Amino acid sequence: GENVEQHPSTLSVQEGDSAVIKCTYSDSASNYFPWYKQELGKRPQLIIDIRSNVGEKKDQRIAVTLNKTAKHFSLHITETQPEDSAVYFCAASRYGKLTFGQGTILTVHP
Amino acid sequence: EPEVTQTPSHQVTQMGQEVILRCVPISNHLYFYWYRQILGQKVEFLVSFYNNEISEKSEIFDDQFSVERPDGSNFTLKIRSTKLEDSAMYFCASSVTTGVTGELFFGEGSRLTVL
Repeated sequence: GENVEQHPSTLSVQEGDSAVIKCTYSDSASNYFPWYKQELGKRPQLIIDIRSNVGEKKDQRIAVTLNKTAKHFSLHITETQPEDSAVYFCAASRYGKLTFGQGTILTVHP
Repeated sequence: EPEVTQTPSHQVTQMGQEVILRCVPISNHLYFYWYRQILGQKVEFLVSFYNNEISEKSEIFDDQFSVERPDGSNFTLKIRSTKLEDSAMYFCASSVTTGVTGELFFGEGSRLTVL
């Protein structure tokens, strides 16, 4: 089955800096790659996603890139703010079933 | 905005007891899922359900687990005889379709504590 590896497990940045989180996946048939933000005790919230026919997608301060050949995708957050502090999960999907990475605890220091 | 709703938000049970977690997916969605998240760990797929039958299940979803759509709105997860290691947050999710257009919408979760 699909296996998703996510790095780093923790990431600490200063407010205004950029943050990058990277994921690799194993199943070349995966075709949908969402990123979720999860605050303590809350549900995962979709922040951005990318389909396999697209290499890059941007939404304000958040961008995701996908390299299908290398089977990796990345989340980029620019101009980080303290409210960006949370756990971020990448996931890979084929036919609806999501396989999640292990999560990255992002801390943005004011 | 339509939401997936789950009840109860928190359930405490004794080991060996049966629990039923309930979910109301978004009304026009056709695909339903249960995921679980043990505290501090990643979200794990349990089962997917479409057209009144299980379409895929993980190795976590053993004979102690079952799912049902008893009526047109509810989607339930039953754990027959709970174990300590079943303590986790259980998330229900639904989607309109699968594949490249299949964004999943998650409920707020049901926290299960097994004593």
